[in-house]
Formats: sequence, structure tokens, C-alpha cells
Amino acid sequence: GIQVEQSPPDLILQEGANSTLRCNFSDSVNNLQWFHQNPWGQLINLFYIPSGTKQNGRLSATTVATERYSLLYISSSQTTDSGVYFCALPPPGTYKYIFGTGTRLKVLA
Amino acid sequence: DAGVTQSPTHLIKTRGQQVTLRCSPISGHKSVSWYQQVLGQGPQFIFQYYEKEERGRGNFPDRFSARQFPNYSSELNVNALLLGDSALYLCASSPGTYTEAFFGQGTRLTVV
Repeated sequence: GIQVEQSPPDLILQEGANSTLRCNFSDSVNNLQWFHQNPWGQLINLFYIPSGTKQNGRLSATTVATERYSLLYISSSQTTDSGVYFCALPPPGTYKYIFGTGTRLKVLA
Repeated sequence: DAGVTQSPTHLIKTRGQQVTLRCSPISGHKSVSWYQQVLGQGPQFIFQYYEKEERGRGNFPDRFSARQFPNYSSELNVNALLLGDSALYLCASSPGTYTEAFFGQGTRLTVV
């Protein structure tokens, strides 16, 4: 089945720092989403980005489907950015989302 | 607009019991999916329903079942609970089968 790997697994930043999270996948995709899971477990939609680049405030994402990776950029990080970041995508022809291994981010004040 | 709502938010059950979890999708969304997330891991797909029909099933035992109602809300049932069923159960709503998914806040199930 499709493999979805994220790096780094853990990341500690000082408030105000920038970071790049990576998602590698082993098969072609039609959909790809980035989520932030807060400490209460809520999965918050960040981007729906099967290809191309999108920006939303301090966050932006780029998916290069032909090279099978996606990047999430966080600029000027804040303590509220702490949590786990997941990329998720469905294997071709299926409806189920396969979640990546996650990146656990901690932003220190 | 209300987001995806799940109930209850927390639940404690005893081994062998049965549990029913509920999900109301975003208004206008016809697809509901269920995921299980155990501590320290990413969510794992259990079921997807679209227009009241099952469209996909993950690698879970037959103790897990679900259904979707005419108003597109959904229930997940788990019979003969095991300690290993303790997890966060997440419901996702989407307009169709291959479109962006939006998740509820989850139901945290503890089996003792």
C-alpha cells in the first residue's frame, strides 16, 4: 500500500523561528491535506493541496505531485502552533485517507 | 455554519460492552468517514459512507459497524469492547467521496 512519511518526527522551536515540514508519499495522489492536531485532539484543516502552492497567513504549503512530496512552511512561529502536524492522502481510486507519521512541534516562548 | 459535531465527547465503558458513537456532518455534506486514533499514532480509516451506502471499509474486525441515516448523520457501533479499542474516534465530513475532509472534535473512548 501507499507509504506516507513525514520529517522531522519532532521539532522544537523558539517563538518567532521559521520551519519546514516535509511529507513524502510513495504513489500518485489526487488529494492531499495538511492538518494540525491540537492538544485536545481536534484535527484542524490547514490546506487542501493536491498540487501547487497555497498561502494562509503565516502558513504556506507546496505539493509537487510528480516528485511525490509536499512541504508545509511555518513562519514566525507562535506557541499556539504547538501540536502534531499530519499530511493525509487517499491512495488512487480509494476514499480512505492515509495519514503520515506526523511531526510533533513544540514552540517555546 | 456548524462544523462536524460528535457525541459524546468522552466515554468510559467496560470490556465486553457495546458502544454507539454519533456524528453530524456539515450541512450539505453527504459523505461521512470514521477513523480511530490510538495514542501516539495517526488516525486509521474505519469506514466511509456516501449517500447512505458503505463505500469503503478499513482493516477492522466485524465488531465494528456503522450506518448513515437519511439526514446524512452517522453512527459507529463497536460490540464486545476490548481494552485495545480505547482510542480517539474521529468523524470526517465531506461534500463528496473525493473531496476535502473536515473532522469533528472526536469521541475519546476508554475501555476498562
